[in-house]
Order: sequence, then C-alpha cells, then structure tokens
Amino acid sequence: KAGVTQTPRYLIKTRGQQVTLSCSPISGHRSVSWYQQTPGQGLQFLFEYFSETQRNKGNFPGRFSGRQFSNSRSEMNVSTLELGDSALYLCASSLTRNEQFFGPGTRLTVL
Amino acid sequence: AQSVSQHNHHVILSEAASLELGCNYSYGGTVNLFWYVQYPGQHLQLLLKYFSGDPLVKGIKGFEAEFIKSKFSFNLRKPSVQWSDTAEYFCAVTYTGFQKLVFGTGTRLLVSP
Repeated sequence: KAGVTQTPRYLIKTRGQQVTLSCSPISGHRSVSWYQQTPGQGLQFLFEYFSETQRNKGNFPGRFSGRQFSNSRSEMNVSTLELGDSALYLCASSLTRNEQFFGPGTRLTVL
Repeated sequence: AQSVSQHNHHVILSEAASLELGCNYSYGGTVNLFWYVQYPGQHLQLLLKYFSGDPLVKGIKGFEAEFIKSKFSFNLRKPSVQWSDTAEYFCAVTYTGFQKLVFGTGTRLLVSP
C-alpha cells in the first residue's frame, strides 16, 4: 500500500507570495492533518480535515488555510508569505481517529 | 494548555548502551500516547503507541515504553542501542476526541560505533 505523498518536496518563494502544498493520503484514509516543523518551534498542528470538513484547527494566523477534496486529497495554502513561514510542512493521514501516518514533507524556504 | 515535555534534548551513547528517554504530558483527560522517530533524511515513523490496556507497550526495532498514569509519563526504553538508532525521537499525545497530535520538542540521539 502506498504511503502518504506530498508535492512538491521543495519550494522556494519570496516574501509576499502565496503557496499551495498538496497531500495525497493513504488509500482509504479519510482524515488528513497538517503540521509545521521548525527548529525553533518544533512540530505544531495546523489543521485536520475529515470528509471535506475542517474538524480541528491549531493556533496559526488566517494566512494558513486548507481544504480537502472528495477523494480525501488535501491542500494547504499560505498567503502573504513571511520569512518565518520557512519550515517543513508535514501531512499525516489516518484511518481511525488515533494513529497517523506521515508523509515526507514539503520543505518551504521563504526568501 | 496541552503540552508534552521531553527532558533530554541531546543524548550521546555508545553502541550496546541502554537507552531511556523521558516524556511527560500535561493532564487533560484520557490520552493516547505515541513515540515517533525521524531518521536522518527520512519522514516521521511510528515506533509505538499506547491506547489502553497493558501499560508496557512494545514497538518496532526492540523499543518499548511504559505508561505511568500517576506520573503522566511515557518513557521510551531500549536495552541495547545500535548505531542505526541514531535519529530524533518525538513523544506525542492526543487527547480523546481530538486528532491533534501534541509533540514534545524531540530528543536527538547519537549512537557512536
């Protein structure tokens, strides 16, 4: 069974731009969560989607948004990029409400 | 606020040494507990998990962890580490009813051959 895939793997953007990251969950998994990983803040929860609905949201500004499609694929969008948004963005999918499987991440660099 | 504390940020061991990494979580009701590992250049992988039942859980690659409810702890152990265990280890918790994983700050383990 294929794992969680994320595209692109690497991105370089400049301040003020916006970016869209994509996540394809493991087949059959309907829950997708997003996390931001930085050296300073560690791993922080962004949001969770289940059946196209946002079920939970972390403490991030409104510039961070996401959505989920009917095939469970998910995208997250960051608008008006800031230098501090440089991070590894991880997507995780789950079948049940407990065990999450992580993808390789998208490394975003904001210049 | 929900939080997870990992006491050791960096640990250096020689091969065959025993390992114990501490993890404490803040009280918030019924919890599910996890240890994830991130090998250099690889993605987060689940080492082991505790949902209920026997508080001593065994995971992959010889790792085990013990849930002590009275201490809000979930320490990770391995009797004899190998060079291939060099990685960053994260303790995490979810509170019942929520999918959000709350992670500790991680422990970087370096095993010297």
